Amino acid sequence: DAGVIQSPRHEVTEMGQEVTLRCKPISGHNSLFWYRQTMMRGLELLIYFNNNVPIDDSGMPEDRFSAKMPNASFSTLKIQPSEPRDSAVYFCASSFLGGDNQPQHFGDGTRLSIL
Amino acid sequence: SQQGEEDPQALSIQEGENATMNCSYKTSINNLQWYRQNSGRGLVHLILIRSNEREKHSGRLRVTLDTSKKSSSLLITASRAADTASYFCATAGSGNTPLVFGKGTRLSVIA
Repeated sequence: DAGVIQSPRHEVTEMGQEVTLRCKPISGHNSLFWYRQTMMRGLELLIYFNNNVPIDDSGMPEDRFSAKMPNASFSTLKIQPSEPRDSAVYFCASSFLGGDNQPQHFGDGTRLSIL
Repeated sequence: SQQGEEDPQALSIQEGENATMNCSYKTSINNLQWYRQNSGRGLVHLILIRSNEREKHSGRLRVTLDTSKKSSSLLITASRAADTASYFCATAGSGNTPLVFGKGTRLSVIA
C-alpha cells in the first residue's frame, strides 16, 4: 500500500494567487481529514469527510478556504486568494471510521509558503 | 478545540535513557492514541489504548492510561538517537468523531 499521497510537497507562491493542494487517501478508508500545522497553533483540523461527504468544516478558517472530495480516491483543498498568514504545513490523513475510532494515516504534507 | 495536552513541551535525554511523556485530557474517551512525527514528515501512529485498558506494550514503548485522572503516559525505554521526534497524543470519542490532537512533546535523544 502506497499510503496517503499528497502533492505538491512544497509550494511557494505570491499572495493573492490560488493554491490547490491534493490528496489521495488509502484505498478502503472511508474518512479523510485535512489539517494545518504551525508552530504557533499546532495541528488544527480544518475539515473532514466521511464517505466523500463533508461532515464538519468548522475548522476552515475563512471563506477563502474550500475543500472537495469528488470521489473516494481524491480530495482537494483550495485557498483563493492566498495570504501570507496561510503559510503552514498542510496534512491530509485517512482512516476507517466506524464503531471504533481507528488510527489515522498521514501523508507527508504540503509545505506552503505565501510571499 | 484541542483536548490532549502533552507534558513536557520539550525533553532532552542521553541515548540509552528512558523518556516519559504525559498527556492529559478533559472529556470521556473511547480510546487514546500516540503518534510520532519526524521532522518534515507526517504523523505516524504508534499505539492505541482503549478506555478499558490500563497498560499496553509495543516493543520499547509502554503506554498507560488512567481514566479516573484523565491522563496517559508514553514511556520509551533505552532511547536511541532515531527516537528524536515530536510525540502527540490524540483522544478519540465514540462513533464517527475525529481524533483531537495535543500540541506534542519534542524529544531530543543525544548520542
